[in-house]
Amino acid sequence: QVQLQESGPGLVKSSETLSLTCTVSGYFISGGYYWGWIRQPPGKGLEWIGSIFRSGSTDYNPSLRSRVTVSVDTSKNQFSLKLSSVSAADTAVYYCARDIGHYASDYWGQGILVTVSS
Amino acid sequence: QSALTQPASVSGSPGQSITISCTGTSSDVGGYNYVSWYQQHPGKAPKLMIYHVSNRPSGVSNRFSGSKSGNTASLTISGLQAEDEADYYCGSYTSSSSWVFGGGTKLTVL
Repeated sequence: QVQLQESGPGLVKSSETLSLTCTVSGYFISGGYYWGWIRQPPGKGLEWIGSIFRSGSTDYNPSLRSRVTVSVDTSKNQFSLKLSSVSAADTAVYYCARDIGHYASDYWGQGILVTVSS
Repeated sequence: QSALTQPASVSGSPGQSITISCTGTSSDVGGYNYVSWYQQHPGKAPKLMIYHVSNRPSGVSNRFSGSKSGNTASLTISGLQAEDEADYYCGSYTSSSSWVFGGGTKLTVL
C-alpha cells in the first residue's frame, strides 16, 4: 500500500522560507510517476504548487514559480518543497501526492497545516 | 491561469442522480482529455474519483462517472447515498503544463 507523509514545521515566520518533506512508503519514487505538492487555505479550495519527476524535472504553478523549489531524494524516497518569502496568504494545509499522469493524483498524504505568523 | 468554474453547491435526495459541472477554456478542459475529479470529506485529504475525463480508479464505486463536452466536464453521481455528501473538486491539465483546479462544489444529500 502506497503511503505518503508530510513533515516539517507547523509555524513559519513571515518573509522566511517554508520547508516541507514528503516521505513515500510502499513505492519507490525511482520507479516512476510525478510527485506533487498541493495546498488548501483554511475554508478554501485546492491550489497546485508544483510537481517533480524522478529525474528531477519540475513543473510549477506560474503564480508561485518565483518562490517555489521542489526537489527529490530517491535514496531516501522523499521529495521536498521550499517556498520562500512567505506571507499570511501562504497559510494552508499542504498535501503531497503521487501523480499517475497529467495531474491525476491517486495517493495523498494526510496534509500538514502550516501557519505563517507575523 | 484562472480557476475552473464549478457551482458552489448542489443537492439531491438519496437514490437520485446529480451532476456537477466544471467549465474551463480551450487551453485546459477543452484542449485535453486530462480532467480529474476529487472528493473531499471535512478534515480529510482529497480522494481521486475520476481521472482522464472518464476513468475510474480501482475501488471507486461505478455510481461515479465523468464526461466532457467542449470546455465543460461533468461528474455524475447516481443512486445518491448519504456518504457521498462532501466537497468535490475538478482539475485539469493546461497548455502551460500546469494544473488548475475548480473552486469546489459542496454536495448536500437531503
